[in-house]
Amino acid sequence: KQEVTQIPAALSVPEGENLVLNCSFTDSAIYNLQWFRQDPGKGLTSLLLIQSSQREQTSGRLNASLDKSSGRSTLYIAASQPGDSATYLCAVKSSGTYKYIFGTGTRLKVLA
Amino acid sequence: NAGVTQTPKFRILKIGQSMTLQCTQDMNHNYMYWYRQDPGMGLKLIYYSVGAGITDKGEVPNGYNVSRSTTEDFPLRLELAAPSQTSVYFCASSQTSGSPRNEQFFGPGTRLTVL
Repeated sequence: KQEVTQIPAALSVPEGENLVLNCSFTDSAIYNLQWFRQDPGKGLTSLLLIQSSQREQTSGRLNASLDKSSGRSTLYIAASQPGDSATYLCAVKSSGTYKYIFGTGTRLKVLA
Repeated sequence: NAGVTQTPKFRILKIGQSMTLQCTQDMNHNYMYWYRQDPGMGLKLIYYSVGAGITDKGEVPNGYNVSRSTTEDFPLRLELAAPSQTSVYFCASSQTSGSPRNEQFFGPGTRLTVL
């Protein structure tokens, strides 16, 4: 059974710092992995999706990497800004299933 | 495109009442999902559908029912509401072709309180 873990649960950093958010999964037979951002009281916004055949995806200041063999994905945020403050969730879709399994998220606060 | 829309945004129910949460997407996606999110937790899958007329249970289906008569609509029915169903409910959809495949798009959520 696939399990997805995100550590730490919360993180505070000063503005301008580069940071890494972690996502671990137990079953390496994945189809893809998706990173989301969730603002308080709002829905989820898709940030990046990595297919199982890819090693990384980039969008602006965001870079997501995938290492299936170690069961890990990281979301790198460059030059963090107060507007990046939100909860970041990762979700894993295993091969042969239609379902996504979500981590519990990392709540990020970027201090001005 | 409006994307994924959900109604209502907020609702308070009394124990034992029933209601239907509406979800519509205008992206012609085959896959649709219902999740619930409890405070401090990730999302748990309630039901999903891979196309009109096809639905299946997720991790936490008890107390809920769904139907999928059209590609666009995927309503979630709560029968005999219980306090344990107090949560935020999200509907999502995804595509099966194109790039990136299976990227999920979410609605804004319905915040439900059962008293």
